[in-house]
Amino acid sequence: DADVTQTPRNRITKTGKRIMLECSQTKGHDRMYWYRQDPGLGLRLIYYSFDVKDINKGEISDGYSVSRQAQAKFSLSLESAIPNQTALYFCATSDLVSAYNEQFFGPGTRLTVL
Amino acid sequence: KQEVTQIPAALSVPEGENLVLNCSFTDSAIYNLQWFRQDPGKGLTSLLLIQSSQREQTSGRLNASLDKSSGRSTLYIAASQPGDSATYLCAVNQAGTALIFGKGTTLSVSS
Repeated sequence: DADVTQTPRNRITKTGKRIMLECSQTKGHDRMYWYRQDPGLGLRLIYYSFDVKDINKGEISDGYSVSRQAQAKFSLSLESAIPNQTALYFCATSDLVSAYNEQFFGPGTRLTVL
Repeated sequence: KQEVTQIPAALSVPEGENLVLNCSFTDSAIYNLQWFRQDPGKGLTSLLLIQSSQREQTSGRLNASLDKSSGRSTLYIAASQPGDSATYLCAVNQAGTALIFGKGTTLSVSS
């Protein structure tokens, strides 16, 4: 079984719709992250969380929100999707103490906003 | 602001060749550096992690080096195989938080 899972894997939606992307992990890590990947721009950080009560904005948080429902779950929401949010979205986890903050990535969610 | 650059953007080599991928970063105050592999449309697989106090790490045919003072890391792939064809990403971790990525080097190994 995969250690970091993301649902859905693919999603096509329309402008203005609310979308939620979910991430779950079984690695027992305390830290979780959301990145997006765009051709030519590389991966950029959207939000990150160091524990259930901690939420931090990343480089490109505008238009997104997150929820850390439990240590193992971290959700990313697009309140009103727009076409330039079409991208590949990755969730990642890490543990500072036991694994030197090495980050492990999920398989990604391909989101298309029409 | 930390910036990570990878050169070249693309590389094509014949099978069996040894090759080096380059990564440079502008701020030497890093916590660690990770190399990833990404197959088309897929997720990222962590290849090697080098802590700031280390000079190199090895895994199989892969060897990654780190020179913090010059802001450089290299990924050496020995005896390349067609299965090594992928995009290789370098990322630096500052203050134990999130990663800052380069744009990657796309490697193609022909048989």
